[in-house]
Parts: sequence; structure tokens; C-alpha cells
Amino acid sequence: GAVVSQHPSWVICKSGTSVKIECRSLDFQATTMFWYRQFPKQSLMLMATSNEGSKATYEQGVEKDKFLINHASLTLSTLTVTSAHPEDSSFYICSARTVYNSPLHFGNGTRLTVT
Amino acid sequence: AQTVTQSQPEMSVQEAETVTLSCTYDTSESDYYLFWYKQPPSRQMILVIRQEAYKQQNATENRFSVNFQKAAKSFSLKISDSQLGDAAMYFCAYRRDSGTYKYIFGTGTRLKVLA
Repeated sequence: GAVVSQHPSWVICKSGTSVKIECRSLDFQATTMFWYRQFPKQSLMLMATSNEGSKATYEQGVEKDKFLINHASLTLSTLTVTSAHPEDSSFYICSARTVYNSPLHFGNGTRLTVT
Repeated sequence: AQTVTQSQPEMSVQEAETVTLSCTYDTSESDYYLFWYKQPPSRQMILVIRQEAYKQQNATENRFSVNFQKAAKSFSLKISDSQLGDAAMYFCAYRRDSGTYKYIFGTGTRLKVLA
């Protein structure tokens, strides 16, 4: 089946530093990837939609300069949290699909803790 | 804007019994998809079942079935013969069949299975 690999699984960083999270589709070409943020015991909040080769589309309220998303190839998208602050601590999940009507496949998430 | 509501934050079921998780949604679209996702403690999102809005027949996947009431905008999940491995967070999700095809998730229901 389709596999999405997300790395790292967890990361601890100091306030003010930047952290990059990778999302790879291992056995399919992901034309679209979605990045979600999940707070404890809450739902998945869509942060942005990225299409390969295009600029990401951010949801309202998400700072695009803080959460940099790059989708340079059909198998890799990255989310960079710049100048991280403790309030950025959260669980980040990526998902990917091939064409618009295909199933969504999820990575196993990244737990970010900013100290 | 589309919204998805899960009114049951937590449910419990005895092993081997049946449980129904509720979901309602709001949309003005006529073509869309509905999904139930399971998120176990590993945090990996797993697709349980999906329903196309144009289909009147309720979707079924082994022990999982849905009751799709389009006019009432209701989409409940029934789990039969509950197993300990069914314990997880369950998210109802909506996806329109046009535009960005992004998913909107409900707030989730935590299902506990009692031995």
C-alpha cells in the first residue's frame, strides 16, 4: 500500500531556532501534500496545501513566513518552523495523495517541543 | 464554509458489543465524500471507511459500517463485535468533490473498549 514517511518522529529544539520536518511518499507520486497541526486531544487543523512545483496555499491564520512549506518534488515536501517558540510545540502531521480523487495517506507525525 | 461536528468526545463499549459514533456535517455542496479515520495511540491516521455522497447505499468494511443520511447531513459509524484493537480516536472527515479537495475533520471521539 501507499506509504508516507515523516521524519523526524520527534524533535526538541530551543526557542529561536528553526526546525525542518520532512514528508516523503515512498511508493507513489504525491502531487498534493497537506500539512496539519494537532493539539492534544483535538482535531487536525489544516495548515497548508502544497502542490508539487507550486507555492503552498496557507489556511487563514497560518503565518506563511513562520511555517515554510516546500514541495520541490513529487515525493518530498518539507515544513520548516522558523524562529520556533514554545507555543509552536505541537504534533505535526503530513498527508499526501496522487490525484485529486485518490485516498489520502498520512505520515506518522512529528512531535515538536520547543523549550 | 463546511463544518464537521462530532458530539461525543468519548464513548465506551464492551468487547464484542456494538457501538455507534455520531457525526454531522454542514455543507451546501451536493458532491462530496465522507470518511471515518482511526487514530490509535501510535498517532498514525488510518482510513476506516469512506462514503460517496452520490451513493445511497451505505458503505461497509467488515465490522465497520456507516449510516449515511444525506438529507439530515448525518454520517454515523457502527462498529460491530468490538475488539480491544478498536480503541482509538475516531475522526469524521468531509471532502468536497471540487476545488482543492481538502479534508475537514471533526473534533474526534475517543473510543474505549472494555475487556
